[in-house]
Amino acid sequence: DTEVTQTPKHLVMGMTNKKSLKCEQHMGHRAMYWYKQKAKKPPELMFVYSYEKLSINESVPSRFSPECPNSSLLNLHLHALQPEDSALYLCASSHGQVLNTDTQYFGPGTRLTVL
Amino acid sequence: QKEVEQNSGPLSVPEGAIASLNCTYSDRGSQSFFWYRQYSGKSPELIMFIYSNGDKEDGRFTAQLNKASQYVSLLIRDSQPSDSATYLCAVFGNEKLTFGTGTRLTIIP
Repeated sequence: DTEVTQTPKHLVMGMTNKKSLKCEQHMGHRAMYWYKQKAKKPPELMFVYSYEKLSINESVPSRFSPECPNSSLLNLHLHALQPEDSALYLCASSHGQVLNTDTQYFGPGTRLTVL
Repeated sequence: QKEVEQNSGPLSVPEGAIASLNCTYSDRGSQSFFWYRQYSGKSPELIMFIYSNGDKEDGRFTAQLNKASQYVSLLIRDSQPSDSATYLCAVFGNEKLTFGTGTRLTIIP
């Protein structure tokens, strides 16, 4: 089973709202990732959690706040977003040993629209 | 220079022919290489990965890696209309996966 689940599938929010994206995997993976993908562009890495600790933050604005409550769950808290933050937000997971065998599996994504 | 480069296409291939997708990368320390397929509006789906120089075959797909030339390719044999998608090359190095911009492939029935 290589399933990563994400909720919600779609989210529309205003610039003053606070919302959260959720990602879950039950493959025993110890690394989890948030990517942002704009239309016709490749995924861009935002955050990496390894063994529930934040290991990479790609200079993401503080209006995006990640959280990893346990090894199976990854959240992305959103606050005071801008319209240009509208995108497909992808979660991925991998075994987490940072070896060349560490394949990332992607969830279906959350399509976010900021009004 | 972009870290991972792909021809954006579109690449049009007749049904049943071989589709050839290419990717070059700049970091010689890159350790592993992945091909993802992405249908419009969907998330990337892993097609193949390769770590060692040479060819790796999986069904209709063959990945080829040449580390000396910093080049990785994906061949799709007996192309089907369902293969029409954007193919993303991704390179793992420095603890992160970097994607190319993707090649849009269209299989013509």
